[in-house]
Amino acid sequence: EAGVTQFPSHSVIEKGQTVTLRCDPISGHDNLYWYRRVMGKEIKFLLHFVKESKQDESGMPNNRFLAERTGGTYSTLKVQPAELEDSGVYFCASSHTGMDGYTFGSGTRLTVV
Amino acid sequence: GESVGLHLPTLSVQEGDNSIINCAYSNSASDYFIWYKQESGKGPQFIIDIRSNMDKRQGQRVTVLLNKTVKHLSLQIAATQPGDSAVYFCAETFSNDYKLSFGAGTTVTVRA
Repeated sequence: EAGVTQFPSHSVIEKGQTVTLRCDPISGHDNLYWYRRVMGKEIKFLLHFVKESKQDESGMPNNRFLAERTGGTYSTLKVQPAELEDSGVYFCASSHTGMDGYTFGSGTRLTVV
Repeated sequence: GESVGLHLPTLSVQEGDNSIINCAYSNSASDYFIWYKQESGKGPQFIIDIRSNMDKRQGQRVTVLLNKTVKHLSLQIAATQPGDSAVYFCAETFSNDYKLSFGAGTTVTVRA
């Protein structure tokens, strides 16, 4: 069974540019989560989708971040315009129901210069 | 009173020794706790979990201890191996929520 896939694995962009991160969850997982780890700090929750609906977006830092999950399959996280403090590793996770099968992807390392 | 270990951001361990990683959690309502291992270039990987109705759980070479009185969690790794070098995170949640709250992480380095 394929795991959670994230693309790209690395991205380096200039301040002010736009970046779109993609996450493909495990097939059949209705729940999809985005997390972020800023350099040396803890991993923080960003948001949670159930199918295509945003269940909880309390962790989204500001309106420069937009997450979508059209059709309830893969998800994208767009940062526009990117700022220096957005640098970090963005993790996606998916689960079947609740904590059942909760699995993380390898992350996208975003560097804003 | 009972003493608990401090959280350390880094831990250096001799190969073959036992490791103890400590974590203080924040929410007294949390009832489910997980330890994750994160290796370079990979996402957090599940190691072991424990529910709040237990105070100890054992896996293969790992043991998790939960002290709800002082909101403290620890992970013990027996006979630490080079492959155990990684960042270890504790995480908490509660049954009706799927959002994980992570601790600060401890970087474990195993010396040969």
